[in-house]
Amino acid sequence: DQQVKQNSPSLSVQEGRISILNCDYTNSMFDYFLWYKKYPAEGPTFLISISSIKDKNEDGRFTVFLNKSAKHLSLHIVPSQPGDSAVYFCAASADNNDMRFGAGTRLTVKP
Amino acid sequence: NAGVMQNPRHLVRRRGQEARLRCSPMKGHSHVYWYRQLPEEGLKFMVYLQKENIIDESGMPKERFSAEFPKEGPSILRIQQVVRGDSAAYFCASSRSNYEQYFGPGTRLTVT
Repeated sequence: DQQVKQNSPSLSVQEGRISILNCDYTNSMFDYFLWYKKYPAEGPTFLISISSIKDKNEDGRFTVFLNKSAKHLSLHIVPSQPGDSAVYFCAASADNNDMRFGAGTRLTVKP
Repeated sequence: NAGVMQNPRHLVRRRGQEARLRCSPMKGHSHVYWYRQLPEEGLKFMVYLQKENIIDESGMPKERFSAEFPKEGPSILRIQQVVRGDSAAYFCASSRSNYEQYFGPGTRLTVT
């Protein structure tokens, strides 16, 4: 039961341009959403989060947008840098603190 | 190092042996989660524990897998009679009572 879906397994972007990573969810009970970044052979690291009472959260080059009616969130990275190349996981949790992850999107930022 | 610690980082087991993976949560964190990442796949939730309690084990295979988080010491994920399909990276995460989970570096299990 895939409650969190990242339909694009990979994304390639030129350095300096915007990267947009998308995520869809099916469980309307989810009220907190997070993005994690993962480099090879390392654990995921927390990047940015958003509560369901908001529709946008910004932290430097990273902005997360939440569209509750569409059950969709996206992560914008601008400007993209080669060091941003990694796998990005979308995650969602409900009140009980369990978290469900998407399958990940591999972002490649080309110099 | 105040981060989540996992050991061993790499574990090789022959089919039929037991694998024990350890996770020490961040200081002050009482919630522990285990995830599995199969090759070319995303993170799959396995189990959520608090001290001495299993809160949600809906992602755990019904047989051979067990997890514990004792009052003292690390959380242990135990896989009995390992098979080749158990080869994966196993990640532990911990949190306080909020939603943000912090991950360890993972244990890469290889079953030969």
